[in-house]
Amino acid sequence: AQKVTQAQTEISVVEKEDVTLDCVYETRDTTYYLFWYKQPPSGELVFLIRRNSFDEQNEISGRYSWNFQKSTSSFNFTITASQVVDSAVYFCALSEFYGGATNKLIFGTGTLLAVQP
Amino acid sequence: DAGVTQSPTHLIKTRGQQVTLRCSPKSGHDTVSWYQQALGQGPQFIFQYYEEEERQRGNFPDRFSGHQFPNYSSELNVNALLLGDSALYLCASSLALGYDTTAYEQYFGPGTRLTVT
Repeated sequence: AQKVTQAQTEISVVEKEDVTLDCVYETRDTTYYLFWYKQPPSGELVFLIRRNSFDEQNEISGRYSWNFQKSTSSFNFTITASQVVDSAVYFCALSEFYGGATNKLIFGTGTLLAVQP
Repeated sequence: DAGVTQSPTHLIKTRGQQVTLRCSPKSGHDTVSWYQQALGQGPQFIFQYYEEEERQRGNFPDRFSGHQFPNYSSELNVNALLLGDSALYLCASSLALGYDTTAYEQYFGPGTRLTVT
């Protein structure tokens, strides 16, 4: 069965600290995609990154970086030098290739990140 | 370039009533997915529409139905509302996958907050 686990319910850090959000997934497919979304208090999910199962290269985008490790079925997200504007709920999601149409996203329960000034 | 839009923003209904939520996809997108997000939870996939047909469905009862129009906009209908249907309903649009390993990101709208009393 497909499943995404975000064990950290809430994380609180002080501004400028680095923080890592954990994501562990389960799937039987060899072709799948992993995503991170940010949900600020306004409610709209903001796409951050997509990674396919064949690309284990880590990615960095500004203060954001992602570590994908198939051996441990993990796709962790690190924010360097956190800022108050990073405060939000972050969701990790899994999508399996269905063929012919965009497949559904399976979300974890989210991690609430609170960055204190 | 308009993103995904949803209406209404908020809605209050009584148990047993019926509700219709609307979604306009991002320009150029042809696939619409609906998700239900209960408070404190990750979004749960309801169904997906492509070429005016339901292509995939999650574990939701038949009280949840939908429709996609020729202009790709979509409606979500919920009949016989229950208190447990209170949630944020998110619409996401994307491009349909071809029969290859490319996946397209799903772009989310701001959601409709439904409260059932």
